[in-house]
Amino acid sequence: EDQVTQSPEALRLQEGESSSLNCSYTVSGLRGLFWYRQDPGKGPEFLFTLYSAGEEKEKERLKATLTKKESFLHITAPKPEDSATYLCAVRSISSGSARQLTFGSGTQLTVLP
Amino acid sequence: NAGVTQTPKFRVLKTGQSMTLLCAQDMNHEYMYWYRQDPGMGLRLIHYSVGEGTTAKGEVPDGYNVSRLKKQNFLLGLESAAPSQTSVYFCASGGADYNEQFFGPGTRLTVL
Repeated sequence: EDQVTQSPEALRLQEGESSSLNCSYTVSGLRGLFWYRQDPGKGPEFLFTLYSAGEEKEKERLKATLTKKESFLHITAPKPEDSATYLCAVRSISSGSARQLTFGSGTQLTVLP
Repeated sequence: NAGVTQTPKFRVLKTGQSMTLLCAQDMNHEYMYWYRQDPGMGLRLIHYSVGEGTTAKGEVPDGYNVSRLKKQNFLLGLESAAPSQTSVYFCASGGADYNEQFFGPGTRLTVL
């Protein structure tokens, strides 16, 4: 059974204070690791997909990295508008043709001005 | 493109009532999914469909039924609502050419 654990559950940063969010996973053959951003009262918004250890993707102040056991979402010099819940999800061999994703419970990020 | 849309946005039901949630996508995606999101538990898959006319159970299917009569629509039904079904429901879709799923804005359901 695929498992995804995100830490910390909540993180408060001052504007400009860089930090990282962690996503640890256990799967039977990774087919993709996904990061989403979710604003209050809205649906998750796709950010990145990573497929193999060593891969990195960047978007503005966000950079996602992947190892064989975990992924990090690095936030450089965050701004208040980066405040959101960040969700991590995995797709594995066991999801088959359905392409099911298994989600973590998210990290709620608050960036204070 | 509107992407993935869901109706209604909010709904309050009494225990035992029934209702249907509608999901529509205009991206010609083959795959469609229904999730529920509860505090501290993340998104959990209820049912999914890999194509028109097909449906399958996810992680938490009990108390729900689904139908996909048209490729662009995926309906989630509650035949006899229970307070345990109070949640936020999200629909998502995905295409054959990529792995990510795209989500709708959600429906907040309260069962009294």
